[in-house]
Amino acid sequence: EVQLLETGGGLSRPGGSLRLSCAASGFTFSNYAMSWVRQAPGKGLEWVSAISGSGSHTYYADSVKGRFTISRDNSKNTLYLQMNSLRADDTAVYYCAKDGLFTGHDRGDYFDYWGQGTLVTVSS
Amino acid sequence: DIVMTQSPDSLAVSLGERATINCKSSQSVFSSSNNKNYLAWYQQKPGQPPKLLIHWASTRESGVPDRFSGSGSGTDFTLTINSLQAEDVAVYYCQQYYTSGLTFGGGTKVAIK
Repeated sequence: EVQLLETGGGLSRPGGSLRLSCAASGFTFSNYAMSWVRQAPGKGLEWVSAISGSGSHTYYADSVKGRFTISRDNSKNTLYLQMNSLRADDTAVYYCAKDGLFTGHDRGDYFDYWGQGTLVTVSS
Repeated sequence: DIVMTQSPDSLAVSLGERATINCKSSQSVFSSSNNKNYLAWYQQKPGQPPKLLIHWASTRESGVPDRFSGSGSGTDFTLTINSLQAEDVAVYYCQQYYTSGLTFGGGTKVAIK
């Protein structure tokens, strides 16, 4: 059974940093691109970042480029999102999501499994 | 980035009736190299993560009831829920995966009339 468990959310001041983790199990982690998708309170879904299965290629939404860094440790089956220079509009539930295609695009495709999400709140 | 526009924002349908949700992309998400539309549909219930319903515009995910169907090509797509059930109350999102910079529609909230 595929499981994705996000941790690391919490409260940060504007300009602060947080590191999210997503522990994956139930599939061969290194075979799939992974993404982070966020959802601001009461709003829709926004793709944030993707990383290829090997970790060699990364992609970012313009809204987080230069501030967020996606990475993965395939030996630990874990996905990360380092978030720096946080702003109030980064407040959201952050989901990690597994790519639905075994031979899909490095930059992500559709998502067949999602974690339960972790809430990030940026406020002074 | 490709902009995905859903309509309506919300709709109320009687139990057993049909719900129709539209999704329009700002450019085609059809690839002539493999004859596929790079379009997915998700269902999100309150307090839960999204659940994949359909990919490649019309391929139902395993375990999804057959009352859910997707159609369309190019820039115009439709999610149809036949014979709406109480458990189908949710927000539905379309998503394109044709280009980098994956984008979602704004969502359509489905309620019971």
